[in-house]
Parts: sequence; structure tokens; C-alpha cells
Amino acid sequence: GDSVTQMEGPVTLSEEAFLTINCTYTATGYPSLFWYVQYPGEGLQLLLKATKADDKGSNKGFEATYRKETTSFHLEKGSVQVSDSAVYFCAPLSYNTDKLIFGTGTRLQVFP
Amino acid sequence: NAGVTQTPKFQVLKTGQSMTLQCAQDMNHNSMYWYRQDPGMGLRLIYYSASEGTTDKGEVPNGYNVSRLNKREFSLRLESAAPSQTSVYFCASSASNLRGDTIYFGEGSWLTVV
Repeated sequence: GDSVTQMEGPVTLSEEAFLTINCTYTATGYPSLFWYVQYPGEGLQLLLKATKADDKGSNKGFEATYRKETTSFHLEKGSVQVSDSAVYFCAPLSYNTDKLIFGTGTRLQVFP
Repeated sequence: NAGVTQTPKFQVLKTGQSMTLQCAQDMNHNSMYWYRQDPGMGLRLIYYSASEGTTDKGEVPNGYNVSRLNKREFSLRLESAAPSQTSVYFCASSASNLRGDTIYFGEGSWLTVV
């Protein structure tokens, strides 16, 4: 069945460091791909998405490129801020069920 | 800009008790969802409603029932709570269940069953 694998956290960085959170998926066809972010005590919010191969989603300085050949959708940011501290979820949209499949989430902690 | 509102935010239940989590959205969305979030397991879909008047099971429906009361409201009921249902529950909605539609989440309901 469809599945997604994210790198385990927590990821601990100093402010202004470069961030990469890896995400790979197994799915039928070419699913749309999403990154959601969950700030402490809140629900999930859409961060960015890409709907076809080679698309790059971007928002708030974060980027992720849909890599069909490696079935990956890694999240990157060039310079993180303390306010980016949150849990990040990679979520492909299952071709079979039309439902999002969430990864286990990666906690990011950014220190001043 | 309320979006998706769910109540209660926190609840403690005894094993065997029943309760209903309420959810309402003000975005005129057709599709609504209930997820649970457990440590190390991401979010798992419990039930969803593609449109008013329809409901379908998700990945983990056992022990739950849902009601799509109208287009705005989608409730989740635990008839006889069990400790395994201790979790954070999220209601969500989207304009439709078509591929690529953004899903909007509520702030979560923390449920503890003792």
C-alpha cells in the first residue's frame, strides 16, 4: 500500500542554519505531495504542495521539489528562525483512496 | 475567520463512558474528516464525509461513530471509551475530496481515557 517515510527528529538547529527534512514515499501513480506544519498547541496548517513531477512548492522561505525519479519531496529552508520550531508532516495524496497519508512528523527545534 | 472549530479542547473520560466531539466549519466546504494523532504514528483517518449526507470509514474506524448533521457540522462519538482511544483528535475540512484540495484543520481535542 501507499506509505511515506520521514526522517526522525528532533532536528535541532541554531538560528540561520540550513534545514533539510527528508521525505520519501511509495505510491501508485503520481500523487500530489504536501507538507503540513503543526505549531505547538495548534492544528496542522498547509505549508506547501506540489501536484506534478518537477514542481517546486514554496512558502515562508520553505521549498520542496517533487522528484519523481527518487520518489522524494524533501523540505528545505536556507535560514531557519526560532519561530520555525514546529512539527513538520510530509503527506502524499493516495492515488487509490484520494486521502492524505501522513508521515510520523519531524520535530524541528531552533535555538537562538 | 473561525475556519474549523472543534469542542471540547480537553476531556478526561473513564473507561466505558461515552462522549461526542463536535466540529463545525464556516468555509462552506463539502468534505469533512476526523483524524487521530498518536506519538510516532502521524495522523490516521478515522472517518470522513465527502458531502452532506454521506459518511465513510477511514483507516481506524473501530470504536467510533460519526454524524454529518448538516453541511457545517460533523461529530465524532465514542460510545464506550477505552484507554486505547486516548489521543489527540483533529477535525478537518476541504472544499471537496478531489485530488489536491487543501485540507484545513481544527486546533485539536485532547482526550484522555482512564
